[in-house]
Amino acid sequence: ELKVEQNPLFLSMQEGKNYTIYCNYSTTSDRLYWYRQDPGKSLESLFVLLSNGAVKQEGRLMASLDTKARLSTLHITAAVHDLSATYFCAVDTGTASKLTFGTGTRLQVTL
Amino acid sequence: AAGVIQSPRHLIKEKRETATLKCYPIPRHDTVYWYQQGPGQDPQFLISFYEKMQSDKGSIPDRFSAQQFSDYHSELNMSSLELGDSALYFCASSLGLGLSSYNEQFFGPGTRLTVL
Repeated sequence: ELKVEQNPLFLSMQEGKNYTIYCNYSTTSDRLYWYRQDPGKSLESLFVLLSNGAVKQEGRLMASLDTKARLSTLHITAAVHDLSATYFCAVDTGTASKLTFGTGTRLQVTL
Repeated sequence: AAGVIQSPRHLIKEKRETATLKCYPIPRHDTVYWYQQGPGQDPQFLISFYEKMQSDKGSIPDRFSAQQFSDYHSELNMSSLELGDSALYFCASSLGLGLSSYNEQFFGPGTRLTVL
């Protein structure tokens, strides 16, 4: 059974600081997705990572994938309050297959 | 751009009642997924359909059933509702087999089901 773990589960950081969220998964896959969720809202797609070594950046967020280590990271640069949300990584293991989500990381950016 | 549409957005039911949730995928998307998200939890896969056929099944209770119709919309039917069924129910859609080498799923706004 595929397991996807994230750490930390909760992250409180000051504006302007940098931090990294880690996503480990237990089985071979080269397709990893990052989503953002605001409280009570839908899941917004942030990044799609499709190969070993893939790196994507959007604004203050950068995601990478190491399929050999079964690890993805989401790096936050110079955090701002607007980034406060819960971030999920998700893995799929086949075409048109279900997503298995990580435990989520609740990010709180304080002034 | 058109997004996934779900209805209703909020639903309040009593125990042992039934509920039907509807999902309209993004135009030209042929694959629909249903997920359940309890408070403070990650989304859990329930069931999926590709071209109107069930393609995968997760931890969906026997009390729940779903189908995808000829226009690709999907309905999740829930019977004998229990307190523990209170959750956010998301529908997602994607381009399925043969049309995409990956599986980016686009999520609808969700239906918040409260069982009293």
